[in-house]
Amino acid sequence: DAGVTQSPTHLIKTRGQQVTLRCSPKSGHDTVSWYQQALGQGPQFIFQYYEEEERQRGNFPDRFSGHQFPNYSSELNVNALLLGDSALYLCASSLLAGNNEQFFGPGTRLTVL
Amino acid sequence: SQQGEEDPQALSIQEGENATMNCSYKTSINNLQWYRQNSGRGLVHLILIRSNEREKHSGRLRVTLDTSKKSSSLLITASRAADTASYFCATDDYQGGSEKLVFGKGTKLTVNP
Repeated sequence: DAGVTQSPTHLIKTRGQQVTLRCSPKSGHDTVSWYQQALGQGPQFIFQYYEEEERQRGNFPDRFSGHQFPNYSSELNVNALLLGDSALYLCASSLLAGNNEQFFGPGTRLTVL
Repeated sequence: SQQGEEDPQALSIQEGENATMNCSYKTSINNLQWYRQNSGRGLVHLILIRSNEREKHSGRLRVTLDTSKKSSSLLITASRAADTASYFCATDDYQGGSEKLVFGKGTKLTVNP
């Protein structure tokens, strides 16, 4: 049973560029959430997707956008990258009808130079 | 904003000893989850405890929940060097049917061999 997978593992970009991160949920899960984790901090909620729609959004600017595909996989896009966007980006999957038990992927480490 | 706050921020013990970490939160919850994170990698789901449960066990892990005090504790018994990691509690922030998780800053546990 495959768990949550994310790609790429590491990414280096320069300020102003755009980036796309990818996530495949755990088998049987239909909901994907994205989190940003800065060094030394706990993860911060970015947004959640279900049935290809954004259900809830955290306190992140519109430069952060996402998408969910019919197979439940998801993408996180960040435009006009800033130095402060450097962080570990985590994807979590869950079953909407479940108890909100969220399982995380290994993360994508984004460095903005 | 951070809802869960772990205490202590850092804990150093010898192998074989027990480790106790505490978490406090501010608002009513549906459930509380504990996660482990090794060296800035993905979060590993440890245990979920519902708001109507007071104690839960999983292997060497024991979690308690006191909703009247809005607090939880994670006990790791007979610790091993491999338990060295950061531990986070996460609570629901239930709003309009969405279930984002709100994390604290974590407890960094070091188990010395």
